[in-house]
Amino acid sequence: GAVVSQHPSRVICKSGTSVKIECRSLDFQATTMFWYRQFPKKSLMLMATSNEGSKATYEQGVEKDKFLINHASLTLSTLTVTSAHPEDSSFYICSAPDPTASSYNEQFFGPGTRLTVL
Amino acid sequence: GNSVTQMEGPVTLSEEAFLTINCTYTATGYPSLFWYVQYPGEGLQLLLKATKADDKGSNKGFEATYRKETTSFHLEKGSVQVSDSAVYFCALSTNTGNQFYFGTGTSLTVIP
Repeated sequence: GAVVSQHPSRVICKSGTSVKIECRSLDFQATTMFWYRQFPKKSLMLMATSNEGSKATYEQGVEKDKFLINHASLTLSTLTVTSAHPEDSSFYICSAPDPTASSYNEQFFGPGTRLTVL
Repeated sequence: GNSVTQMEGPVTLSEEAFLTINCTYTATGYPSLFWYVQYPGEGLQLLLKATKADDKGSNKGFEATYRKETTSFHLEKGSVQVSDSAVYFCALSTNTGNQFYFGTGTSLTVIP
C-alpha cells in the first residue's frame, strides 16, 4: 500500500535553532498533506494543512511564523520549527490522503518525528 | 463541535483474554469512524473503519460497530495476542472536511 515517510525520525537541537522535518509520499502524489502534533499521553492535534503550490492553512492557535510549512512538490512537504524552544519538544506526524479513496477521510500517516529541544 | 473520548489506559491483559476499548464521540453531521494502531517505533496504521451507522468494521480479529444511538465505536477482540501490544487510537472524520479528531490513545500490553 501507499507509504508516507518522515525524516528525521528523531532530532535533538539546542534552543534557538531551527529544525526542518520532511514528509514524503513515496509512491503516490499528494496535493494536500497534514501536520499533527502529539503531546505525551494526549491525542494528535492537527496543526496545519499543507497545500502544494499555495500557502498552508493553519489551525487556530498555531503560530504560522513559528511553524513554517512548505509543500515544494507533489510528494514533499516540510515543516520547519523556527527558533525552537523546549516547549516545542513533541512528536510531529504528517499524513496524506489515500489516493485511492473517494474522500479525504482515509489517510496514510508517517512514522513521526520526535523533536527534543534542549 | 467534534471530539472523541477514549478510555484511558494503560491496559494490561493476559494472552487470549477478551479486549474492549471504549470510544464515544461527538460530531456534527455524519462522521466516519476509525481505529488506528501504533506499534512501538512505527506510524499510525488504519486498523478498521466504519462510514455509516450500524456498519461493523473488522480486521485481524478486531471489531467495532458504529452505534449512532449511543455515539460509540468500541473496539473489541475475543482473544488478544502478545503481538497486539500497541497504542490504539479512536478517531473520527467528518464528511465536510478533511480533519481527523483523535482520542487520547489507549496503550495495550498483552503478557504471555
